[in-house]
This record gives sequence, C-alpha cells and structure tokens, in this order.
Amino acid sequence: GAGVSQSPSNKVTEKGKDVELRCDPISGHTALYWYRQSLGQGLEFLIYFQGNSAPDKSGLPSDRFSAERTGGSVSTLTIQRTQQEDSAVYLCASSSIGLATDTQYFGPGTRLTVL
Amino acid sequence: GQQVMQIPQYQHVQEGEDFTTYCNSSTTLSNIQWYKQRPGGHPVFLIQLVKSGEVKKQKRLTFQFGEAKKNSSLHITATQTTDVGTYFCPSNTGNQFYFGTGTSLTVIP
Repeated sequence: GAGVSQSPSNKVTEKGKDVELRCDPISGHTALYWYRQSLGQGLEFLIYFQGNSAPDKSGLPSDRFSAERTGGSVSTLTIQRTQQEDSAVYLCASSSIGLATDTQYFGPGTRLTVL
Repeated sequence: GQQVMQIPQYQHVQEGEDFTTYCNSSTTLSNIQWYKQRPGGHPVFLIQLVKSGEVKKQKRLTFQFGEAKKNSSLHITATQTTDVGTYFCPSNTGNQFYFGTGTSLTVIP
C-alpha cells in the first residue's frame, strides 16, 4: 500500500479482555515501531522491530503487552487482560532500515477504549 | 542516551503572530528531525537537519540547527490556523525514538 495502515481504527473493549492491534508497514520497510499516546500526552515508545533481529521491547509497560512481527512485515500488538489505563491511541510507524536519520511514517492509529 | 528537552510545552498565539519552539540537548546530536501532529491526526515528518548551523525553510517555517549541534528551533512566521498542532523533535538512542510531549500550538483566529 501507499502508507502505513492500522486496524481496527477504533476498539472498545471491557476490562479484562484481550485485544489485538494490527499494523501493516510500508512495503519494503524493515523497521517498525509501536507507540502509545494517551489523551493530551506525548508519544510513548513501546517496541521496535528491525529485520530479523530480536525486537527491542524495553518500552513495553508490563508483561500484559506483547508484540510480534511475522515475515518481517505485518505486526500485531497484543494487550492481555486490558485495564482502563490502557486506553490510548496506539500508533505504528515504519522506516526504511531503522537508521536514526530515516523518516518514520506513521499509520492513523488505533484508538483503544477500555470500559 | 540522548535526551532532548522541548520548550515551551504549550503556546497560544493570535493568528498572524510569530511562533518559535526550541529543542535543547545536553549532548551533541548527530541529526534532528521535526514532526507535526494535527489534532486527531498522526505525526508527519517535516524536515531533518544534519549539518552544524544548518538552516532550512519551508514556506513560513524556518528550521535551524545550532552551531554546536546541541539545539534546534522551529520558527513560524505569521501563524495561520492551519499551523495548529503539536510539534515534536524526537531524540534517539540508537534506533529508539523518544517523542516526548512536544510543543502544542494553538492559533486564535
């Protein structure tokens, strides 16, 4: 596709349920990032994938959060046993090869609401 | 790792006034990027500065990179309502990016 896509665009779930958020990066981009943005807050780094290297998971806030990237393309962010404080917009970005000088292209985000 | 502080956190200006946001680092930066996020939108890349003392312009926006490569600024001349949004200068440690809270610009018509 022409840009980064994310699905669903909106997700409403009940506390305690698991959710999966999907990110389709720009074709050919080997670097993929997940961020979280709470209402009125900045972007919080969650996880970084680069090619076949082990992901950098240092930003994941708890062990309820996990992510995988299959085939070096599509990524899924999973939140288990969701809590109300997980409510936020989850943004995915991709870049060419993950250099600090690469431009990050963001998807439209998934707005997660935990009731 | 590199930590970049951005000021101010919020700025309200009357339409037509100028606006400047600053990013300051305690360490020398290899490069600096600027992104803009419109309300309800996602961050969009604006520009990258790499050279010491570099100045780049995009219409009413002027971006500067300090001589010591420790600070950068974004100046908007004669703001318009379309300039509303949050401006970020993410810092990076290795290949991780830290966007922080940015500078939120409100333009009053």
